Amino acid sequence: DADVTQTPRNRITKTGKRIMLECSQTKGHDRMYWYRQDPGLGLRLIYYSFDVKDINKGEISDGYSVSRQAQAKFSLSLESAIPNQTALYFCATSVFRGYTFGSGTRLTVV
Amino acid sequence: GQNIDQPTEMTATEGAIVQINCTYQTSGFNGLFWYQQHAGEAPTFLSYNVLDGLEEKGRFSSFLSRSKGYSYLLLKELQMKDSASYLCADGGATNKLIFGTGTLLAVQP
Repeated sequence: DADVTQTPRNRITKTGKRIMLECSQTKGHDRMYWYRQDPGLGLRLIYYSFDVKDINKGEISDGYSVSRQAQAKFSLSLESAIPNQTALYFCATSVFRGYTFGSGTRLTVV
Repeated sequence: GQNIDQPTEMTATEGAIVQINCTYQTSGFNGLFWYQQHAGEAPTFLSYNVLDGLEEKGRFSSFLSRSKGYSYLLLKELQMKDSASYLCADGGATNKLIFGTGTLLAVQP
């Protein structure tokens, strides 16, 4: 099993729908992150959490929310999806320097 | 704030050496990372520099100059499988990775 698991791997949704992307990890790391990746823009940080009671906005948090249900689980929600949220989303975990990324969720909003 | 610059694309020949540069400006510094990412896949860790100088790992080496806000990734004996994006990332003052836009390397026969 992968250390960092993201579900779903691919998702197509309609504009205005609520959608949740899930991330779970078996590495026992306290720190978890959500990034989105768009062509030409690299990886941009959406939200991050340094422990279960700590949630912080990243550089592009508007239109997103997160929930840290447990040390191992960090979910990203789009309350009302819009087409410019079409992107590849990555969850990552870390302890100090070592970052481990999930395989990504490719989200398309039509 | 943080600003990271690296070339958008590079092309090199199989068996050759290529150097990918990265400059950064940050309000705090917690190390400079390099990741490799094949299209549609997750980034994978290549190297980490926190002190000035060269770190060598097999065919890959990474260099850091903190006074110049400069790093490079050196790839030797290029192979076709090295065709990928190479992401420079700054650990920043608050231990969250901030990435540059990545350099897409194409290795040609």
